[in-house]
Amino acid sequence: AQSVTQLGSHVSVSEGALVLLRCNYSSSVPPYLFWYVQYPNQGLQLLLKYTTGATLVKGINGFEAEFKKSETSFHLTKPSAHMSDAAEYFCAVSPYSASKIIFGSGTRLSIRP
Amino acid sequence: DADVTQTPRNRITKTGKRIMLECSQTKGHDRMYWYRQDPGLGLQLIYYSFDVKDINKGEISDGYSVSRQAQAKFSLSLESAIPNQTALYFCATGASGGSTPNEQFFGPGTRLTVL
Repeated sequence: AQSVTQLGSHVSVSEGALVLLRCNYSSSVPPYLFWYVQYPNQGLQLLLKYTTGATLVKGINGFEAEFKKSETSFHLTKPSAHMSDAAEYFCAVSPYSASKIIFGSGTRLSIRP
Repeated sequence: DADVTQTPRNRITKTGKRIMLECSQTKGHDRMYWYRQDPGLGLQLIYYSFDVKDINKGEISDGYSVSRQAQAKFSLSLESAIPNQTALYFCATGASGGSTPNEQFFGPGTRLTVL
């Protein structure tokens, strides 16, 4: 069975500081991995995805994530937080053989001025 | 114009009422999904459909039903609404092929309150 664990339901960082949102997954087969962002009163928007190939994936708005198979992790980072990054972030896994996505419970990111 | 639209965006109803939430897409995708979002629980899959003749239950289908009227339309019904169905509901679409395997595209959501 596949599952996703996001460490920390709420993360707060200062503007300009490093953003690190943690995600670990379990999957019996090689997975596709996603990070989605949800701004207030909006739907989910894809930030980035890992399918195959390079394990460091760059997404929109300066975010990136690294797929580490040995650690079953797909942590999301951004070098310098901006106030507009305040949102909820969801990590998700989808096995190659399936067409469903399993979502983590989400991490709310707050940015302090 | 939005690729995935949901109507209504907000709905308040009473216990026992029948409610239908509608989703339409212009992306040409064959796959459509309904999720509910509750605080701290992420998104839970209610139903999904891989084409007009294919309907599948998700993790939490009890109390819900769906209809795939056309490739572009997928509606979710609550036959007799109850308060614990108060949540944010999302429709999503996906393509069975192409360069974005398993990626899903989300509508703006419907906030449903059952009193």
